[in-house]
Amino acid sequence: DTAVSQTPKYLVTQMGNDKSIKCEQNLGHDTMYWYKQDSKKFLKIMFSYNNKELIINETVPNRFSPKSPDKAHLNLHINSLELGDSAVYFCASSQRVTEQFFGPGTRLTVL
Amino acid sequence: SQQGEEDPQALSIQEGENATMNCSYKTSINNLQWYRQNSGRGLVHLILIRSNEREKHSGRLRVTLDTSKKSSSLLITASRAADTASYFCATLYNTDKLIFGTGTRLQVFP
Repeated sequence: DTAVSQTPKYLVTQMGNDKSIKCEQNLGHDTMYWYKQDSKKFLKIMFSYNNKELIINETVPNRFSPKSPDKAHLNLHINSLELGDSAVYFCASSQRVTEQFFGPGTRLTVL
Repeated sequence: SQQGEEDPQALSIQEGENATMNCSYKTSINNLQWYRQNSGRGLVHLILIRSNEREKHSGRLRVTLDTSKKSSSLLITASRAADTASYFCATLYNTDKLIFGTGTRLQVFP
């Protein structure tokens, strides 16, 4: 009965690799998000999708490509991983301007 | 630039005491929300206050909003050890874009 789920929870990989993080929500929300939280706990939005349509793209490098196959899923693919990509990535969902529901996070470590 | 700034950055209190956290933001908003993050977990929504509201309560939480000063405060009354977490304000403006503050780390000692 998890509302927003992410996989994997931990991801350790070498620089230059390509990796994906998956997110699913069963709340029936129209909007989904990806956030990045750095080591100082600074949380910043990366992308937002509404009904599979990209509505927010916060000057994220092209190496990051979100994909929304349907409104319940928003995956994040990262190409050519760099050391600076190490962070915790959170998926979230909401029904327009109301509260957002966050997933448990994916801790990405790039070696 | 980051929309919200919170103070204090860290707060340590004893159980039973009240905890107050402040948030300042820079532009007009639709609403302001407070979230809690326990260590190693995702954020959990606590309370939302709209731009035309001045005060809101939810259990032991009290939130105020002063749009003239572009600031908000979160008061947790009769704190418990389980309240230990980081607290973030987040402002919503224009679209669905939530801008989070820098957070306040609250430690409640039993």
